[in-house]
Amino acid sequence: GIQVEQSPPDLILQEGANSTLRCNFSDSVNNLQWFHQNPWGQLINLFYIPSGTKQNGRLSATTVATERYSLLYISSSQTTDSGVYFCAVNRDDKIIFGKGTRLHILP
Amino acid sequence: EAGVTQSPTHLIKTRGQQVTLRCSPISGHTSVYWYQQALGLGLQFLLWYDEGEERNRGNFPPRFSGRQFPNYSSELNVNALELEDSALYLCASSTKSGQGTYEQYFGPGTRLTVT
Repeated sequence: GIQVEQSPPDLILQEGANSTLRCNFSDSVNNLQWFHQNPWGQLINLFYIPSGTKQNGRLSATTVATERYSLLYISSSQTTDSGVYFCAVNRDDKIIFGKGTRLHILP
Repeated sequence: EAGVTQSPTHLIKTRGQQVTLRCSPISGHTSVYWYQQALGLGLQFLLWYDEGEERNRGNFPPRFSGRQFPNYSSELNVNALELEDSALYLCASSTKSGQGTYEQYFGPGTRLTVT
């Protein structure tokens, strides 16, 4: 089955820094989503991005489907950006989440 | 527009008991997905219902089961609870699955503790 790998597993940054999170997948997929899980466990949709580039405020994402990876960019980090970021892919009725990147933004 | 809702929020059960978790999807969504997230771990796919039918299930034993009702709400049932079933159970919904081009929206989860 499809393997989804996220890197780095952990990231500690000062407030105001920029970061890039990566999601690699081992085969072609029908879609890809990025989520942010807050400290209370709620998963927040960030991007639905099977291909191309999207931006939403300080966050943007790029998926290069032909090369089987997606990147999530966070600019001017804030403490509220802390949490775990997951990417999830779907193919052939199978949904696979990566193990996540745990982001700590220090004040 | 109301989001995905789940009940109860928290639940404490004893090993060997049975539990039922409930999920109401976003209005207009016909697919419901269930995931298990053990403490500090990633999300493991449990079940996927689409218009009342089970579309796929993850690698979980048969004591994990569920169903989807005509109004597209869903229940997850876990029988013969084990300590390792303690986890956050997340439900998500999406519009009708077609060519895998859906977008999932998650509920707040039910935190189950088995003692």
